[in-house]
Formats: sequence, structure tokens, C-alpha cells
Amino acid sequence: GENVEQHPSTLSVQEGDSAVIKCTYSDSASNYFPWYKQELGKRPQLIIDIRSNVGEKKDQRIAVTLNKTAKHFSLHITETQPEDSAVYFCAAPPRGGSEKLVFGKGTKLTVNP
Amino acid sequence: NAGVTQTPKFQVLKTGQSMTLQCAQDMNHEYMSWYRQDPGMGLRLIHYSVGAGITDQGEVPNGYNVSRSTTEDFPLRLLSAAPSQTSVYFCASSNNEKLFFGSGTQLSVL
Repeated sequence: GENVEQHPSTLSVQEGDSAVIKCTYSDSASNYFPWYKQELGKRPQLIIDIRSNVGEKKDQRIAVTLNKTAKHFSLHITETQPEDSAVYFCAAPPRGGSEKLVFGKGTKLTVNP
Repeated sequence: NAGVTQTPKFQVLKTGQSMTLQCAQDMNHEYMSWYRQDPGMGLRLIHYSVGAGITDQGEVPNGYNVSRSTTEDFPLRLLSAAPSQTSVYFCASSNNEKLFFGSGTQLSVL
């Protein structure tokens, strides 16, 4: 089945710096790659996603890039702010199950003022 | 439009007890699922349903049962609680692959 590896597990940056979180996946048939943000004590919420027919997608300060050949995708946050502090999860679907998402183990991002 | 509603928010059980975690959604989504979240383990799929009357196992189904009698409701049953089931449980429904999560149930099994 699908295996999703996420790095780093923790990331600390200064306010205004950029943050990059990387994920690799194993199933070459995967075609949908979302990122979820979970603030402390809250539910995970979708912040951005990308499908396999595009290489990059941006939404204001966040962007996701996808390299299907290498089977990895990354989340980029620019001009980080303290409210970006949270745990971020990447995910990918297994073959034949686009909604049965397999999640990475998460990255705890801390943005220091 | 309440989205995905989970109850209870907190629960403490003794080993061997049974209980049902409730989940309801009002978005008319066909797909619903249950995840558990443990420290350092991310979110792991327990069971899922692609529509009323249809359920299937996810990655970690042992010790849990589900049923889906209506589109709106997808309860998760713990048959005989074990300390290893101490976790935070999230129900989710999906529209076109985008998961909408409930607020979670923090379960402790003593």
C-alpha cells in the first residue's frame, strides 16, 4: 500500500523566514496530494492541495510543488508569521482509493517572533 | 450548516468497557471515515464508508466496528476497550477528495 514519509518532524524558523516541508510517497498511481494544518487542540484543516497534472500551485504565502518522477512533494511557506505555528501533515491516496488518504507523521512548525 | 459533528469530546473508559463514538455530517457527503491520532504517528485510517450500507477497513481496524445506515451518520464502536486504544479520534467526511474533520474525541482507556 501507500507509504508517506514526511521531513522534518520539527522545524523552527524566525518570523519572516521561509519554511519548507517535504514528503515522499511510494505509490506511483497516486494523483492527489493535500496538505493539512492542525493548530494545537484543533482539528486538521485542508490548506492547499495539488493534482498530478500540475507541478506547482500557489495560494498567497503558501505553495506546493510536485515532482512525480521522484515521487515527492513539498510545502513552501514564505514570510512566516507566528500564526503559521502548527503541525502540518501531508497525505497521498493509495492506488484506487483517492479518498482513503495516507498521512505523513507530521511536522511541528514553530515561528519565533 | 454544522459540518461534521462528533460526540463526546472527552471520554474515560475502563479496560473491557464498550462505547460508541458518534459522528454526523450535514453536507450530504457520500464518503466518511474515522482516523486515530497518536503522538508522532500522524493520522491513521481505522474504517471508512463510501455510502450508506457500505463500509471497509482501513489501516488499523482491529478492535473497532462501524456501520452506515444513513448518509449522515457513521458511528464508531469500541467493542472491548484496551489501553492501546487511548488516542484522539477524528471523524471526517469528504467531498471530491477534500476531507472535512470533526472536532475530535479524546479517549482514555485505563
